[in-house]
Amino acid sequence: DSGVTQTPKHLITATGQRVTLRCSPRSGDLSVYWYQQSLDQGLQFLIHYYNGEERAKGNILERFSAQQFPDLHSELNLSSLELGDSALYFCASSATSGSSRETQYFGPGTRLLVL
Amino acid sequence: GQNIDQPTEMTATEGAIVQINCTYQTSGFNGLFWYQQHAGEAPTFLSYNVLDGLEEKGRFSSFLSRSKGYSYLLLKELQMKDSASYLCAVRDLSGGYQKVTFGTGTKLQVIP
Repeated sequence: DSGVTQTPKHLITATGQRVTLRCSPRSGDLSVYWYQQSLDQGLQFLIHYYNGEERAKGNILERFSAQQFPDLHSELNLSSLELGDSALYFCASSATSGSSRETQYFGPGTRLLVL
Repeated sequence: GQNIDQPTEMTATEGAIVQINCTYQTSGFNGLFWYQQHAGEAPTFLSYNVLDGLEEKGRFSSFLSRSKGYSYLLLKELQMKDSASYLCAVRDLSGGYQKVTFGTGTKLQVIP
């Protein structure tokens, strides 16, 4: 158990809908990262928040958005869902903004299926 | 940007040794990670290299050559539970921000 929690574990929805994925980082960690992992593809970095502020964006679609709240939990919002958005969405946390030997600890993921 | 290459699949025998290679191209290298990921589960941290050389941790070792843009993960005394994907990830410093990019992973199958 990494200490990172994600809810829900599974989510089934229809095209055109909107969903919210939630992540709570390890106690004391200030950074939250979101990744998308489609079938047979690597982890695609979406976005990074540090202490409530956006630090970097990766391959995140305009239909997707995220935020990190004062209690440091984060939410990833996916809207106008398409079939291709079906994937595992991982959240990871790290202590600071990603320096030195610091590693990222991954949550169990949310499996999203868009029908 | 970054380019990370790893073999897609490998097969090895229980009890044997296997080496998983990773090559990368980056402009601001600042560390390389190896993660293990079982199917449908979260990646878990295995090792970190930032200086050239070998880092050993039990049955797993990781090697880095910065001049060659090359790393490998060595797994000894293979066990069936080592069947998983192994992800190479490179951290680089670009635009004042440290970003980690993952390779597509090497799927290792351990056979009896």
